Amino acid sequence: KNQVEQSPQSLIILEGKNCTLQCNYTVSPFSNLRWYKQDTGRGPVSLTIMTFSENTKSNGRYTATLDADTKQSSLHITASQLSDSASYICVVSAEGNNRLAFGKGNQVVVIP
Amino acid sequence: ETGVTQSPTHLIKTRGQQVTLRCSSQSGHNTVSWYQQALGQGPQFIFQYYREEENGRGNFPPRFSGLQFPNYSSELNVNALELDDSALYLCASSLQGSDYEQYFGPGTRLTVT
Repeated sequence: KNQVEQSPQSLIILEGKNCTLQCNYTVSPFSNLRWYKQDTGRGPVSLTIMTFSENTKSNGRYTATLDADTKQSSLHITASQLSDSASYICVVSAEGNNRLAFGKGNQVVVIP
Repeated sequence: ETGVTQSPTHLIKTRGQQVTLRCSSQSGHNTVSWYQQALGQGPQFIFQYYREEENGRGNFPPRFSGLQFPNYSSELNVNALELDDSALYLCASSLQGSDYEQYFGPGTRLTVT
C-alpha cells in the first residue's frame, strides 16, 4: 500500500477559480512534507516544504497546510492560471530515512 | 531552473541493450538520488549516492547500477533493458541526504522497443 495517497486523481477547473488538492500519508516518524509541481515530461519543482511544527506555508498563489495529527496535507491554488496545468506531487520524508515517499500526483487541468 | 542537468534528454533503445544516463548535481550538493517515473505515476526511488558511496536502494534489480564521481555528478546504468524500463528517469541533488530539499533535473525519457 502506498504510504502517500492523493486525491482527487485528476480535476479540471476554469481559469480564475480556486481548487484544493488533498494528501494523506502514513509515513512515520514524520520529518517533513513537500509539494512539487511537475509539468508534463519535466522534472518536479518544489513549491513548499513543511516540518512538523508548521501548519501552513504559502508560495505565491499556492498555500499548503499540514495537520500532523491526522497526517493530512492540502495544497490550495488561488485564482488558477493556464500555467497551473500540471501534476502536483505530495512527498513525505521520514526521520532518519533517506528515502522519500511519493504520491502519484494530482493532475490539474486549467481551461479558459 | 534548479541547476541540475541530465543527459541525454531522450533516448530510444532496444530490449536487451544497455544504457547510461548522466546527471550533474547543483553546485555544492554532495548527494544524488535517482528515480524512475512511469507514465501517470509518482517517481519510484532507485538509489541514492552520498559522497561517492551508495546510500540506500529501492526495489530495483541489480541490473540497475550507479556511480558518483568526485565532483558529485552521477551515472545510472541499466543492463539488459526490458520494455518495462521505459520511463522518465529523474535525478535529484541535495545536501547530506533526503531530509534536505531535493532539486530535480529535467529528466531523461527512455523508450525501450
